[in-house]
Amino acid sequence: GAGVSQTPSNKVTEKGKYVELRCDPISGHTALYWYRQSLGQGPEFLIYFQGTGAADDSGLPNDRFFAVRPEGSVSTLKIQRTERGDSAVYLCASSSRTDNEQFFGPGTRLTVL
Amino acid sequence: KQEVTQIPAALSVPEGENLVLNCSFTDSAIYNLQWFRQDPGKGLTSLLLIQSSQREQTSGRLNASLDKSSGRSTLYIAASQPGDSATYLCAVSRRGSTLGRLYFGRGTQLTVWP
Repeated sequence: GAGVSQTPSNKVTEKGKYVELRCDPISGHTALYWYRQSLGQGPEFLIYFQGTGAADDSGLPNDRFFAVRPEGSVSTLKIQRTERGDSAVYLCASSSRTDNEQFFGPGTRLTVL
Repeated sequence: KQEVTQIPAALSVPEGENLVLNCSFTDSAIYNLQWFRQDPGKGLTSLLLIQSSQREQTSGRLNASLDKSSGRSTLYIAASQPGDSATYLCAVSRRGSTLGRLYFGRGTQLTVWP
């Protein structure tokens, strides 16, 4: 079946602009996760959803970052007033339950000029 | 806070060698441990998941072991091939309110040359 998909695959924006990154989880997966990976580092947790609600958003670095999952399927990560330090690969994952194996999408590479 | 360390950071070997990649974590109250593979410019591919009650998992030429008491896991790759070249990441989840979050190491970059 289809895996986790993310769009766009690449996003280049200017400092100060607003961006939205989209994640389509595996069908039927109730848990959805966002991570951020900088060059040479392991992924860092941002937020995860169980259904429509954010079960843990403690990894969001500041209030410029926000994520939604209104219908319990697709999720959107929103970044306001982007900064150069936001440049990274944003990874999305899903699992059938919170304690199960996580499956990752290909990521969105965000570059802030 | 859970800290995950992977050793070595990079490894270069000839084809056919058996390999051991190491992962250590500071908090033994883990729920499960997952090994991933990441190819350049790509997302993560799940290789093996070990529940905290298990001691090892096997998939083909891969075998992962878990020793919770010492805070260690090893990934054993038998008869390595050039197609195994990638970065291997170890990640753990913790029991409790942050169960869904994975804590990652920085990875071991493996190169297998023909």
